[in-house]
Amino acid sequence: AQSVSQHNHHVILSEAASLELGCNYSYGGTVNLFWYVQYPGQHLQLLLKYFSGDPLVKGIKGFEAEFIKSKFSFNLRKPSVQWSDTAEYFCAVNAHGGSQGNLIFGKGTKLSVKP
Amino acid sequence: DGGITQSPKYLFRKEGQNVTLSCEQNLNHDAMYWYRQDPGQGLRLIYYSQIVNDFQKGDIAEGYSVSREKKESFPLTVTSAQKNPTAFYLCASSRVNYGYTFGSGTRLTVV
Repeated sequence: AQSVSQHNHHVILSEAASLELGCNYSYGGTVNLFWYVQYPGQHLQLLLKYFSGDPLVKGIKGFEAEFIKSKFSFNLRKPSVQWSDTAEYFCAVNAHGGSQGNLIFGKGTKLSVKP
Repeated sequence: DGGITQSPKYLFRKEGQNVTLSCEQNLNHDAMYWYRQDPGQGLRLIYYSQIVNDFQKGDIAEGYSVSREKKESFPLTVTSAQKNPTAFYLCASSRVNYGYTFGSGTRLTVV
């Protein structure tokens, strides 16, 4: 069965620090990959997605993620975080071409940015 | 504006009662989904539907039921058989194999 692992449950950073959130998935075929963000009190929003092509994907608000197929990874990065990046971040995987279109989510990583 | 509407935002249920959570979308998406979100557990799939009049169980379907009589609507019923229903419920829709659009959620509490 497919699964998604997010390595850190809670990350605490100071403003201007660099961020990298880990995400690994277990599925041997072609995948679509996503990062979603949930700001406090708000609904889930798509941060970025990878379907094919350049494995370095740029999303909103200065976030980017790199798909490394050999490592089954899709880590999220931001060079300099802001207090407003405080949120919970979810990695998700969809098995491309399968009969099911449903996403499998990781358990999430809470990011707290100290001003 | 296109989007997904979930109602109510907060719902209180007495033990032994069935309650129905509403989810409506005007995005013309074929697929709709129900997830349950619990702290530290991420999102777990309850039910999903790829087309009207068809739906499939997800990972944690026990104690829940759904219907998909219209493309726009995918209500979720939390039955009395669900042992631990207190949670945050999220509805989503998508075109098949694309990213999701999420609703703002319903927080259900058993009193």
